[in-house]
Amino acid sequence: QITLKESGPTVVKPTQTLTLTCSFSGFSLTSSGVGVGWIRQPPGKALDWLALVYWDDDKHYSPSLKSRLTITKDTSKNQVVLTMTNVDPVDTATYYCVHVDIRAFDMWGQGTMVTVSS
Amino acid sequence: QSVLTQPPSASGTPGQRVTISCSGSRSNIGFNSVNWYQQVPGTAPKLLIYANNQRPSGVPDRFSGSKSGTSASLAISGLQSEDEAEYYCATWDDSLSGPVFGGGTKLTVL
Repeated sequence: QITLKESGPTVVKPTQTLTLTCSFSGFSLTSSGVGVGWIRQPPGKALDWLALVYWDDDKHYSPSLKSRLTITKDTSKNQVVLTMTNVDPVDTATYYCVHVDIRAFDMWGQGTMVTVSS
Repeated sequence: QSVLTQPPSASGTPGQRVTISCSGSRSNIGFNSVNWYQQVPGTAPKLLIYANNQRPSGVPDRFSGSKSGTSASLAISGLQSEDEAEYYCATWDDSLSGPVFGGGTKLTVL
């Protein structure tokens, strides 16, 4: 059974760096074809893909946010970490961690709400 | 503005069949398979259809997907009140080298 859980701060000040951790179980990020990604959803708005990392450390970033994002994996801890620099109130959203299989987001974490406010 | 275009809303009465469209381009839907997600208010999205027309285990066969050229569709037959949710299409975009989503369609069961 695959589970994912996001953790991190609920409030971040503008210009700070946001660090989110995805802790997962039920699969290994060393298995061929497997990936973990981050997707966010501002209140009342659509889903917005942020970043992906695959089992072979192949990484992909949203072109519009690439300069501010870093995704890393720790296979020994079954964790994936997303950092976003220089946050702004428009980054206020629910952030989801997802399991990726054959380019489909087949399992989602419950999401964590992050508010950017001074 | 989303890369994939969906109608913002759709509606139907119980028992009806409704379809939701998703329009893209060659670099995304044209060359890649489409997935659909269902998001009930207040919950995380759930994979509904993958690889254009495949249902994950547990998804009722009332839900079906199709793709033609640079467009895709989600069909829901025998509409039920529990189908009231937001529906998103998604696929890979070769030009952007990453996944892209539609803007979502809010389905109301009248």
